[in-house]
Amino acid sequence: EAQVTQNPRYLITVTGKKLTVTCSQNMNHEYMSWYRQDPGLGLRQIYYSMNVEVTDKGDVPEGYKVSRKEKRNFPLILESPSPNQTSLYFCASSPTPRGSNEKLFFGSGTQLSVL
Amino acid sequence: SQKIEQNSEALNIQEGKTATLTCNYTNYSPAYLQWYRQDPGRGPVFLLLIRENEKEKRKERLKVTFDTTLKQSLFHITASQPADSATYLCALADTGRRALTFGSGTRLQVQP
Repeated sequence: EAQVTQNPRYLITVTGKKLTVTCSQNMNHEYMSWYRQDPGLGLRQIYYSMNVEVTDKGDVPEGYKVSRKEKRNFPLILESPSPNQTSLYFCASSPTPRGSNEKLFFGSGTQLSVL
Repeated sequence: SQKIEQNSEALNIQEGKTATLTCNYTNYSPAYLQWYRQDPGRGPVFLLLIRENEKEKRKERLKVTFDTTLKQSLFHITASQPADSATYLCALADTGRRALTFGSGTRLQVQP
């Protein structure tokens, strides 16, 4: 089944403790992206990648890192999480490198709480 | 500044009626506009994409219009059903940009 898989689904951590949220897609998509969703603010893009080893900042990249060593995987890294990073995170992918003229396929989300 | 506005108040309608949701944008020149459905705690699911040179697009009970003069898209669900209850998001990308920007969504509640 074609899908975007995120793990974990829920994560509670403490301030400063490094964490990684994994994202994998099995559709051979070029474009992958991370969004965070907060009440009243909608989905905001954190980082995106148009292909392997090509990543770029979105609208809210501060405090996050990403890597794209393989086409299928796009992990989101929080080196030193802070409470303002408590949010619902979504990974998404799209067939073409552009990412804006094709539909996005979203993962099920990761609810992160930073205490 | 750039803005995408969707009605933050929930839209409540009776089963069988047509639901109409609005997406207005400011200071964008989008080549594409997309609509997604999101259920609580789940990822958004793509519904329709409309290009700037298309006035209208249909898919089963769904219809989207795109007016680049008014800077507005309307999303219609005809013969609505309780299963259509969800939050609906519009998203667009400025010409030349590689990322979609999302509105904060409108929650639709269809009463049986």
